[in-house]
Amino acid sequence: DTEVTQTPKHLVMGMTNKKSLKCEQHMGHRAMYWYKQKAKKPPELMFVYSYEKLSINESVPSRFSPECPNSSLLNLHLHALQPEDSALYLCASSQDKAGVSVDEQFFGPGTRLTVL
Amino acid sequence: KNQVEQSPQSLIILEGKNCTLQCNYTVSPFSNLRWYKQDTGRGPVSLTIMTFSENTKSNGRYTATLDADTKQSSLHITASQLSDSASYICVATEGSQGNLIFGKGTKLSVKP
Repeated sequence: DTEVTQTPKHLVMGMTNKKSLKCEQHMGHRAMYWYKQKAKKPPELMFVYSYEKLSINESVPSRFSPECPNSSLLNLHLHALQPEDSALYLCASSQDKAGVSVDEQFFGPGTRLTVL
Repeated sequence: KNQVEQSPQSLIILEGKNCTLQCNYTVSPFSNLRWYKQDTGRGPVSLTIMTFSENTKSNGRYTATLDADTKQSSLHITASQLSDSASYICVATEGSQGNLIFGKGTKLSVKP
């Protein structure tokens, strides 16, 4: 199984809502990532978890809150988002953190988020 | 500043033709270089990963080259198919923190 799954595929939420994005992998990978991708732009790294601990937080606003309940799951909790947060949110995983080795980073299909 | 630049920004070719996409990177320390294919609205899919000691790597009709001296890479697509229409993203891995530095991608359209 070389797949990263993400749910939901699409999400529409208001600025006062609280929602969560979910990501799952069963490849035994120990590094998991959240990226944000705006249209026609490359992905931007948001968070990196390595061995279930937050390794990198790229100065992301606190309205985005990551959680890694176990080595296979990664959540992104959303609260009080702004319309400019509308984007494709990508989850990825790799055997170990990029730079430590040349492990392939597998991306999920993404969640298309629209904030009204 | 670490950055990756790709050219051309977009490219239209006829089915069956070959094409080459270019990537220049300024990343230090450099760990490895990756090429991804991304269909619209989908996550990127890895095509190749090369370390500084590798000059070329193939994956089916895709062949990537790397010149670590000039900090240039290319992706050559042979006998293009309609399904090759996608964005191709060059990514350099920075060696100390392991951050992936993404290029803006080349949007390839293959026409029948």
